[in-house]
This record gives sequence, C-alpha cells and structure tokens, in this order.
Amino acid sequence: QVQLEESGGGVVQPGKSLRLSCAASGFTFSSYGMHWVRQAPGKGLEWVAFTLYDGSNQYYTDSVKGRFIISRDNSNNTLFLQMNSLRAEDTAVYYCAKDHLAARGIFHYWGQGTLVTVSS
Amino acid sequence: EIVMTQSPATLSVSPGERATLSCRASQSINSNLAWYQQKPGQAPRLLMYGASTRATGIPARFSGSGSGTEFILTISSLQSEDFAVYYCQQYYNWPRLFGGGTKVEIK
Repeated sequence: QVQLEESGGGVVQPGKSLRLSCAASGFTFSSYGMHWVRQAPGKGLEWVAFTLYDGSNQYYTDSVKGRFIISRDNSNNTLFLQMNSLRAEDTAVYYCAKDHLAARGIFHYWGQGTLVTVSS
Repeated sequence: EIVMTQSPATLSVSPGERATLSCRASQSINSNLAWYQQKPGQAPRLLMYGASTRATGIPARFSGSGSGTEFILTISSLQSEDFAVYYCQQYYNWPRLFGGGTKVEIK
C-alpha cells in the first residue's frame, strides 16, 4: 500500500533553514507528481509546492517563492523541501502528498506530517 | 488566483441526518474540484474528485455535485465517523487553493 513518511521537522529560528524529507513506498514514485501541503496550527490547508514526476518542473505558492525549493530523488523514492529564510508564518505541519492519476493537483495520498516551528 | 469559499463554517447535524456542504469558486473551474475529510490529529483524506467521483473506498453516502463555480458535498446519513472538517480544493489552475473548511459537528 502507499506509504508516505515525512521527517526533518523541528524548532528553528527565524531566518534559518530546514530541510524536510518524505520517504515514499508502495507505488512507482518516479511516475507521479508530488506536493507539499502545510497547515498552520488551528488553521486550514495550504498547498505549498509541486514537482513533476521527473523533477523537470516545479510550482510554488507565492509566499514561499524564492525561499523554498522542492526536489526529488527518484532513485531513492524521496521527496524534499528545502526551506530557507524561515519566518514565523511558516510554522505549520507539513504534509507530502502524492498526485492522483486523474489529474495533477488532486492529493490522493498523504503522509502524517512533520511539524515545523519557527521561533526565536 | 481562484478563491474558494466554503459555507457554512460550522454545521451542526444529528447522527442519521443529511448534511449539505457548499463550496464556491471565484471563477469557473469546470469540474476540477476535490473534497477532503480531516479528523483531529490526522492527515486529510481524499473523498471526491472531478466534483462527483468518489475516491477509492469512500462510502456511497458521500456524494458530490456541481460544476463551474457552485459545488455541493452531501452526506446522506451522518455516521459517527463522519464528524470532521471538510475542505474543497480546485485543481483547475495554479496555485491549487483550498476553501477554508466546514466543520461538521454533532448536534
């Protein structure tokens, strides 16, 4: 079965960097687009970033453009999110999510999330 | 960007009753709409895509309708496990935006 497991969250000071990972299993990772979606404490869902199945194209929400980089290692079935210049408003649970076959941007399967807290 | 608006913010329903959740897009998204369910402390779960196609394993009591800018998620007879927050989301264009959510609570 599909499994997605995020790691790398923690407490980080404003302006610092953090790298999240998402280990994927149970499907052909290199065939699917992948996303990061976040949820601030007590708030709704916010799509963050997308990478095409082969890593050849990426999209970002405006608030993270120029600060976050989504990437993937298809040989190791792993998705990454490099987060730089972190701000307090980046505090959230970060989920990785797998695309649905039907269309890019349908979040078919989700990991359990990893909490990122940006605080001094 | 396409803004997604859900109503009501909170819906109080008794078990066994019908729940009707609304989602409106700020411009037409055809049928490029998905619904998700999220329970406390859990990741969201895909319920519906294409506005009306149930995802794998989703019970038939969940149904979706609509196209263009107006969409409805109906839960025909609420079970205890259905009390949760529901989000709609458009995948017509980038950024992929979610609505603010509707919390379905026990009346």
